[in-house]
Amino acid sequence: GENVEQHPSTLSVQEGDSAVIKCTYSDSASNYFPWYKQELGKRPQLIIDIRSNVGEKKDQRIAVTLNKTAKHFSLHITETQPEDSAVYFCAASPSNDMRFGAGTRLTVKP
Amino acid sequence: NAGVTQTPKFQVLKTGQSMTLQCAQDMNHNSMYWYRQDPGMGLRLIYYSASEGTTDKGEVPNGYNVSRLNKREFSLRLESAAPSQTSVYFCASSVKRTANYGYTFGSGTRLTVV
Repeated sequence: GENVEQHPSTLSVQEGDSAVIKCTYSDSASNYFPWYKQELGKRPQLIIDIRSNVGEKKDQRIAVTLNKTAKHFSLHITETQPEDSAVYFCAASPSNDMRFGAGTRLTVKP
Repeated sequence: NAGVTQTPKFQVLKTGQSMTLQCAQDMNHNSMYWYRQDPGMGLRLIYYSASEGTTDKGEVPNGYNVSRLNKREFSLRLESAAPSQTSVYFCASSVKRTANYGYTFGSGTRLTVV
């Protein structure tokens, strides 16, 4: 089955700096790569996704890039704000299910 | 429009007891999923139902059973709870037909087995 690895496990940045989280996947059949944000005690919520026929996607301060050849994808958050502090999960979906990375705890210091 | 509703929100079980976690969605989604979340391990797939009438095992199915009761409801049953099943359980649904789409998650069930 699909295996997703995510790095780093923790990330601390100053407000206004950029944050980058990286993931790799193992199954070349994966064609859908979403990112979820989970605040403490809350449910995961979809923040951005990308499909395998696209190399990059942006939504305001958030962007995701995908390198199919290398089987890795990344989340980029620019101009970070304290409310960006949360756990972020990447995921990869080859067919009927989705496998998640172990998560990155992002802390944005004011 | 409630989205995905899970019950109960909290539960404490004794080892060997059984219980069923309930999940219902009102978005007319085709696919439903059960995940468990443990510290440092992300979300691990227990079982999923790609469409009404079908269920399949995920990464960690041992000790669990599921029922896709109808298009709206997907329940998870622990027949004989063990301390290793202490976790936060999330139900999710997706509109998925031929292409993959993002999941909508329920608010979770925090289960403690003592």
